[in-house]
Amino acid sequence: AQKITQTQPGMFVQEKEAVTLDCTYDTSDQSYGLFWYKQPSSGEMIFLIYQGSYDEQNATEGRYSLNFQKARKSANLVISASQLGDSAMYFCAMREGRNDYKLSFGAGTTVTVRA
Amino acid sequence: EPEVTQTPSHQVTQMGQEVILRCVPISNHLYFYWYRQILGQKVEFLVSFYNNEISEKSEIFDDQFSVERPDGSNFTLKIRSTKLEDSAMYFCASSEGAAGGARTQYFGPGTRLLVL
Repeated sequence: AQKITQTQPGMFVQEKEAVTLDCTYDTSDQSYGLFWYKQPSSGEMIFLIYQGSYDEQNATEGRYSLNFQKARKSANLVISASQLGDSAMYFCAMREGRNDYKLSFGAGTTVTVRA
Repeated sequence: EPEVTQTPSHQVTQMGQEVILRCVPISNHLYFYWYRQILGQKVEFLVSFYNNEISEKSEIFDDQFSVERPDGSNFTLKIRSTKLEDSAMYFCASSEGAAGGARTQYFGPGTRLLVL
């Protein structure tokens, strides 16, 4: 079974508008972490935001916020005021358990920002 | 801002040859990782390394792969006898610690490996 599911292969958004990228996860662990990474066309992986399973507040980092709904097992990324430089692939990832090290990644969502 | 660096950025090799991919993790980080991403596919975990030993590895990380921290700064991935299917982008990552946000993994720019 997929641990991370990203159902939107591609999205278009108008510059200055907000966009929500969906991510659902599957784990039986109580302790886990959720991450979003951005991969521009140049290929590097850029860390955007982190949410711990015990964090009561939704994480925010500048224009990025994570809409964490634990009961629904979703961790959607919201990018506000989209910019042309936001055009990239976005990956949701999860680390499970206290002693687990690896990240499991979703298939990614391509975001294209239109002027 | 400190960052993970990787060399080379691109590597072309013949099938059956050995390759070594190099990484310099962020200096105060203690946990190191390798991932790969075959073109157009998701990022896959290969191995994690802590305290000079492998802490976890995936089924992809077979006997053809090895990792080493030869000195206080470098972290290497060796593929002994490359296969066509090893063609991928290889990412090195590092994290500071073992709890909460300190487990955030920071990725290098990647090495694009092409096996002919």
